[in-house]
This record gives sequence, structure tokens and C-alpha cells, in this order.
Amino acid sequence: KQEVTQIPAALSVPEGENLVLNCSFTDSAIYNLQWFRQDPGKGLTSLLLIQSSQREQTSGRLNASLDKSSGRSTLYIAASQPGDSATYLCALLYGNKLVFGAGTILRVKS
Amino acid sequence: AAGVIQSPRHLIKEKRETATLKCYPIPRHDTVYWYQQGPGQDPQFLISFYEKMQSDKGSIPDRFSAQQFSDYHSELNMSSLELGDSALYFCASSLGRDSSYEQYFGPGTRLTVT
Repeated sequence: KQEVTQIPAALSVPEGENLVLNCSFTDSAIYNLQWFRQDPGKGLTSLLLIQSSQREQTSGRLNASLDKSSGRSTLYIAASQPGDSATYLCALLYGNKLVFGAGTILRVKS
Repeated sequence: AAGVIQSPRHLIKEKRETATLKCYPIPRHDTVYWYQQGPGQDPQFLISFYEKMQSDKGSIPDRFSAQQFSDYHSELNMSSLELGDSALYFCASSLGRDSSYEQYFGPGTRLTVT
């Protein structure tokens, strides 16, 4: 059974700081990995998708990496802004379904 | 670009009532997934359909049923509602079941059972 863990559970940083969110998984037999953003009570916004054959993906200030052998992914956010405050979820495509981590609640203070 | 549409966006029901949630996938997408996100929890996979056939099943209660129609929209039917069914229900769609295809999520339906 696939288990996904996200560390830290919550993070508070001052504006402008670079930060890293971590995601680990127990079974490396994944097809892809997605990072999502969720604002309180809102839907899921897909940020980045990394195929299992890829090592990283970049979009603007976001960079996500994937190391299947060690069962880890990181989401790097550069020059954080108060608008980045949200919950960040990683999800693995395992079989035909996405298995989500519990998320990291990020607060960027102005 | 067109996105996944879910209706209604909010729904309030009483215990033991029935609810129907609808999902309209992105045009040309033939695969639909349903997820349930309880308060303070991560989304949990319920069920998926590919070309109108059920393709995978997760932790979906027997009180729930779902189907995908000829126009590829899907409906999640929930009967004998319980307080614990209060959650955000997401629908996602993709083009095929190939692993390279991204799942695109709708805005969700917030179900409150009182």
C-alpha cells in the first residue's frame, strides 16, 4: 500500500525567503507525481507534474524534483510572497488513482 | 480553456436523505475520477470511470454509487446520508488512463449533512 508523508506539516516564513517542502512515499512504482495548491475551503490547483521518467519540473518560481529510488520529492519555492500562503499537497499516480499526502500548510508573512 | 465543471457547488442535506453530485469533464476527456476530502483531511479516491465503464474503486461506501454517461459526464449518487459524509467532493478528468495524462480537478462540491 502506498503511503505519502509530507514534512513539515506547517511552515511559517517571512516574505522573500526561499523554502523547500518535502514529500516522501513508500512504493517507488509510481507513474507520476503532482504538486497541488489548495486555498482554505477551495479546490485543487495543479502546480507541477513530474513523470516517473523525469527528475524535475520548473514553473516560474517553483521547482519540483523527483527521486524515485529514494522515494522523495521536493517543491522549492523561490522568493516567497504572501500570496503563496496555502496548503501544498503532493499526490502520486499509483495505479489509476492519485494518493495524496496530508499537505504542508504554508504561511508567508509580509 | 474549458475546465472541469461540478454542480452543485454547495449542497445541504439532512441525515438519511439522498444527494446527487454531477461532474462535466473537460471536452474530449474520457476518464473521470471522484475524490472525497473530509474536514482537515487529504483527498481520498472513491471511484473512476473510463469510457463509461468503472475502471477502479477505492474507499467508496456501499451507500454511494456512480456512473458515467454517454456524453462522459458523471454522477455520484449518495443515499442514506450520514453526518460523516460532510466533505468536499472533487471530480477530476483526464484524457485516457495512460500514466502520462494529468488529472484536472474541478472546483468541488461542498456537501453538508445536518
